[in-house]
Amino acid sequence: QKEVEQDPGPLSVPEGAIVSLNCTYSNSAFQYFMWYRQYSRKGPELLMYTYSSGNKEDGRFTAQVDKSSKYISLFIRDSQPSDSATYLCAIRKGNMLTFGGGTRLMVKP
Amino acid sequence: GAGVSQSPRYKVAKRGQDVALRCDPISGHVSLFWYQQALGQGPEFLTYFQNEAQLDKSGLPSDRFFAERPEGSVSTLKIQRTQQEDSAVYLCASSFSGVGTEAFFGQGTRLTVV
Repeated sequence: QKEVEQDPGPLSVPEGAIVSLNCTYSNSAFQYFMWYRQYSRKGPELLMYTYSSGNKEDGRFTAQVDKSSKYISLFIRDSQPSDSATYLCAIRKGNMLTFGGGTRLMVKP
Repeated sequence: GAGVSQSPRYKVAKRGQDVALRCDPISGHVSLFWYQQALGQGPEFLTYFQNEAQLDKSGLPSDRFFAERPEGSVSTLKIQRTQQEDSAVYLCASSFSGVGTEAFFGQGTRLTVV
């Protein structure tokens, strides 16, 4: 079993929709959780990170961690075509990041 | 430069050939990471440097893979006797501190072994 699991998609939504992206992880000791966005043929860029449980909001993006169920989520409000990308969740283990496989999101105008 | 720079962007190697991939981290960044990303997968950790010291190389898949950062700045990932399964995008990331949480990635080098 992988340490971080993520549905690969693709997920296709109309412009303006609320998007929910999710990951599960295996080790309850993990404390730092990240979401990265990766456009085609580009490197990942950090969107948000959260420590332990709870919510964190940044503009149209909200990251949520539920440690009791080992579930992390990223919500995108008022989705735009420019949000079309692969979204990667990651957890920090020591000095390295362990990534999920990524979910490809397509927002159609 | 403003970001992490990797070269070359694309590399085609014949099976058995040696390759060297270069990473220029953001100036002043202490930590440097190498990741391997297969098509349709998330990045997988290869190795980590703090300044010139290679503190973790647990992710290197075989002894054909070797990384160095001799002066604590530029890093090179070398792959000897390349094989088809080495085909992937190799990503370099750097961060100011050793934490690695806010790591900035380069655009990657796409290696194709034919």
